[in-house]
Amino acid sequence: EIVLTQSPGTLSLSPGERATLSCRASQSVRNSYLAWYQQKPGQAPRLLIYGASSRATGIPDRFSGSGSGTDFTLTISRLEPEDFAVYYCQQYGTSSLTFGQGTKVEIK
Amino acid sequence: QVQLQESGPGLVKPSETLSLTCTVSGGSISGYYWSWIRQPPGKGLEWIGYIYYTGSTNSNPSLKSRVTISVDTAKNQFSLKVNSVTAADTAVYYCARYHVRGDYFDYWGQGTLVTVSS
Repeated sequence: EIVLTQSPGTLSLSPGERATLSCRASQSVRNSYLAWYQQKPGQAPRLLIYGASSRATGIPDRFSGSGSGTDFTLTISRLEPEDFAVYYCQQYGTSSLTFGQGTKVEIK
Repeated sequence: QVQLQESGPGLVKPSETLSLTCTVSGGSISGYYWSWIRQPPGKGLEWIGYIYYTGSTNSNPSLKSRVTISVDTAKNQFSLKVNSVTAADTAVYYCARYHVRGDYFDYWGQGTLVTVSS
């Protein structure tokens, strides 16, 4: 199975700052079909980005995704108070679907 | 707006079978893939498997021998069974709609906590 490694584990930032989250795959992700989710405590994950760079419906344009092959990035251009959460990347390949272990974006 | 709701027992005894149902409202189950994902307390997400509305399935190889996913199009529901459960199966279980072209989940249920304990 393809292993997704997210870094850093925790990102401590202030509102208004830029957040850059990384997701690295152990093998190339087919068609760059990589998705990003946001999860807040006690809530289900919410789709942010699919196909590495396409924003899901209703997602603000401060969220952007980029990358291909094995290296992907989620960028939040200016952090709003509601953006502090855990973020997961996800892909499907070699007969199994996997998630990264998550990056927590916390208030500094 | 599509909505998903998980239902089932919150407590299951070790070695028994965990059974959950996901009811889809606001849209038809037909034409889509539907999936189960779980999250142990304080940990990350683990994909369990998915089912197409026709009944074809695909499951996580690590769970495949214990997992059964089925669909009832008349009731707009799909279900999960995990047999021979242990404490390691304690988790919040989510159902979600899966897009196989793009490999992503766009609608999620709120999740239901299942605890395995005697």
